[in-house]
Amino acid sequence: QKEVEQNSGPLSVPEGAIASLNCTYSDRVSQSFFWYRQYSGKSPELIMSIYSNGDKEDGRFTAQLNKASQYVSLLIRDSQPSDSATYLCAVNGGTSYGKLTFGQGTILTVHP
Amino acid sequence: DADVTQTPRNRITKTGKRIMLECSQTKGHDRMYWYRQDPGLGLRLIYYSFDVKDINKGEISDGYSVSRQAQAKFSLSLESAIPNQTALYFCATSERDTEAFFGQGTRLTVV
Repeated sequence: QKEVEQNSGPLSVPEGAIASLNCTYSDRVSQSFFWYRQYSGKSPELIMSIYSNGDKEDGRFTAQLNKASQYVSLLIRDSQPSDSATYLCAVNGGTSYGKLTFGQGTILTVHP
Repeated sequence: DADVTQTPRNRITKTGKRIMLECSQTKGHDRMYWYRQDPGLGLRLIYYSFDVKDINKGEISDGYSVSRQAQAKFSLSLESAIPNQTALYFCATSERDTEAFFGQGTRLTVV
């Protein structure tokens, strides 16, 4: 079982819709969770970090964490073509203390 | 200037050659990472370091070695490059379990 798993997609949504990205992780005691956005050939950039159960909202982005289910998600409201990118879920802490592990990424395309 | 700087940005090398990728950071972070990215595989961890004396293997360390010369510098070496090490390489830094900051990446091609 992979430590961090994402739906590889690609995920295609129309402009203005909600895009939902999902991630599961295997280490039950993981402590820190991140969503990064990466444009082709560029470095990953942080969109959201979340450390406790529940929802965290920042503008059009909402991260949701459920530690009991070992599940973290990212919702993008009012999706824009500029949101088209690869979204990477990352998990830190837990039994592999300090090791920041990434999922394989989900490719999102927002079409006009 | 970027907080995390990788050199070179692009490199083409021949099979069997030794190559070093360098990373330096000005963020003052203790933790530094080297990742490799291949299409569809996300970022895979090669090595990570908590400080100068603490270096750990990641999930794909075979064929690679690292050196933490100082808190701010973390180098990745390919002792004898092979074509399947052709990839995009990223260095990153973080403070404890907080977000990681990435360099611009090094595109390495082994022919």
